[in-house]
Amino acid sequence: EAQVTQNPRYLITVTGKKLTVTCSQNMNHEYMSWYRQDPGLGLRQIYYSMNVEVTDKGDVPEGYKVSRKEKRNFPLILESPSPNQTSLYFCASSFRGAESGYTFGSGTRLTVV
Amino acid sequence: GESVGLHLPTLSVQEGDNSIINCAYSNSASDYFIWYKQESGKGPQFIIDIRSNMDKRQGQRVTVLLNKTVKHLSLQIAATQPGDSAVYFCAENVGGSQGNLIFGKGTKLSVKP
Repeated sequence: EAQVTQNPRYLITVTGKKLTVTCSQNMNHEYMSWYRQDPGLGLRQIYYSMNVEVTDKGDVPEGYKVSRKEKRNFPLILESPSPNQTSLYFCASSFRGAESGYTFGSGTRLTVV
Repeated sequence: GESVGLHLPTLSVQEGDNSIINCAYSNSASDYFIWYKQESGKGPQFIIDIRSNMDKRQGQRVTVLLNKTVKHLSLQIAATQPGDSAVYFCAENVGGSQGNLIFGKGTKLSVKP
């Protein structure tokens, strides 16, 4: 089944403890992206990647890192999480970037205490 | 389930009626538009798309209308069912193959049985 898989689904962590949210897609998509979703603010893009070893900042990149060492994986790294990063995170992938529809993962609910 | 927006516009319809969800987009250069559906606790799902050289596109029970003159997009759902209850987002692409989708805040559709 064609899909975007995120892990974990839920995560509670403490301020300052590094964490990684994994994202993997099995559709051979070139484009991948991370979003956070907050009440009243909608989906905001954190980082995106047009292809392997190519990553760019989105609208809200501060406090996040990404890497794209291989086509299928696009992990989101929080080096020192803070409470304002408590949010619902979505990974998405696409065959041709914004010219074709994005396929989203099921989301990761992160709580930083 | 996840709360994706505490201050979303809400549309409440009776089961079996038709629903119309509206979206005003921001950029007259946008050339590709998508409607997404997000059910509680899930990631956004692609419903239907339309390119700027069209003004109407139909899918199964859904129709998207595009009015470029007033930068307006609408999603029509025929014979609305309880399973249609969700938050609906429009998204636009302003940057061609190198762009990213920009998402609207969403409208919550509630279907009364």
